[in-house]
Amino acid sequence: KNEVEQSPQNLTAQEGEFITINCSYSVGISALHWLQQHPGGGIVSLFMLSSGKKKHGRLIATINIQEKHSSLHITASHPRDSAVYICAVAGNQFYFGTGTSLTVIP
Amino acid sequence: EAQVTQNPRYLITVTGKKLTVTCSQNMNHEYMSWYRQDPGLGLRQIYYSMNVEVTDKGDVPEGYKVSRKEKRNFPLILESPSPNQTSLYFCASSFGANVLTFGAGSRLTVL
Repeated sequence: KNEVEQSPQNLTAQEGEFITINCSYSVGISALHWLQQHPGGGIVSLFMLSSGKKKHGRLIATINIQEKHSSLHITASHPRDSAVYICAVAGNQFYFGTGTSLTVIP
Repeated sequence: EAQVTQNPRYLITVTGKKLTVTCSQNMNHEYMSWYRQDPGLGLRQIYYSMNVEVTDKGDVPEGYKVSRKEKRNFPLILESPSPNQTSLYFCASSFGANVLTFGAGSRLTVL
């Protein structure tokens, strides 16, 4: 059973497009993290959310606690945004989605 | 600099030869954990530790051991590695639910 589901699994976009990645979870959580992993690279935390919305540059993350759903949006996408994006939720332990592989084509 | 340090970053070994992957954090975090990452399967938790001398199994603990004798260190031990343990391993530490920091990863190949 998957406590965290992400969609889509793979995403290809043209440079400049608006991108949305979705995350749904089934457990009670105290926080949700969006993580980024570049090819061959480590994993870095982009956002930690417990409610509402956060913005960092071209990235926006939202969470709806009642619906157990979060979205990561990238505005004006760029090839350097190409990476795997992972949703992680903090319940009694951390649970991870399988990731969304994003490729942005110039 | 706040960080999680894993060593080695790359390792090729043979079946049955015991190895240890070290993990150290300098943030005084209580929670530490180990994950393996395989294509199409995402991050799967091997073991985690809520504090010194407190460890618990994750989703895929078979073939692994851990210890937490000090707050900063959480080594992962493969007593008798097998080829199905070839993977990319990540150590992470966290402060409650709010801060989650990963090491750079250790790529292990078992021949």
